[in-house]
Amino acid sequence: DGGITQSPKYLFRKEGQNVTLSCEQNLNHDAMYWYRQDPGQGLRLIYYSQIVNDFQKGDIAEGYSVSREKKESFPLTVTSAQKNPTAFYLCASSKRSGTEQFFGPGTRLTVL
Amino acid sequence: SQKIEQNSEALNIQEGKTATLTCNYTNYSPAYLQWYRQDPGRGPVFLLLIRENEKEKRKERLKVTFDTTLKQSLFHITASQPADSATYLCALDMGGGSQGNLIFGKGTKLSVKP
Repeated sequence: DGGITQSPKYLFRKEGQNVTLSCEQNLNHDAMYWYRQDPGQGLRLIYYSQIVNDFQKGDIAEGYSVSREKKESFPLTVTSAQKNPTAFYLCASSKRSGTEQFFGPGTRLTVL
Repeated sequence: SQKIEQNSEALNIQEGKTATLTCNYTNYSPAYLQWYRQDPGRGPVFLLLIRENEKEKRKERLKVTFDTTLKQSLFHITASQPADSATYLCALDMGGGSQGNLIFGKGTKLSVKP
């Protein structure tokens, strides 16, 4: 059963702590993406990767970091430098850039 | 920079009617445009993709049009059902050297009343 998974679904952290969100796909997709969604806002691109060991910043990369050591995995770290980290985080993948994107179920991060 | 607008935050219609959602963009014409459905607390689900050289695309009760002169896409759901209630997102490619990345609209929340 192919798909894209994110864990955990809900995450609570204290201010000043780094936190890593997991994203795994078994669709054999080359491209992977991280988005942030705030209430009443569209999805905003944080980072994307078109191939293993390569990734680029999106529109709002400040305070975030990623790695792409395996094709299947694209974890996102929310660092303490991110000023307003509480949000709904969505990971997506696509066969290649320019094709439809498949989204995970999302992780809702709340920083207390 | 490219701006994308979905002109209604919310749309309420009666079951059985056709829902029409609008997506407008401001600058260059994208190579393609996509529509997604998002239910509360979940990730978006891809519905349809239409390319700049296509005027219309259909999938079951869904129809998308793309007018590069008006810089607009219309998304239609015919014979709407309460199960169609969701937020619908329009997305288009950022163009230039964006490597196929998408810019998303804020979405239109559709409510279909029985």
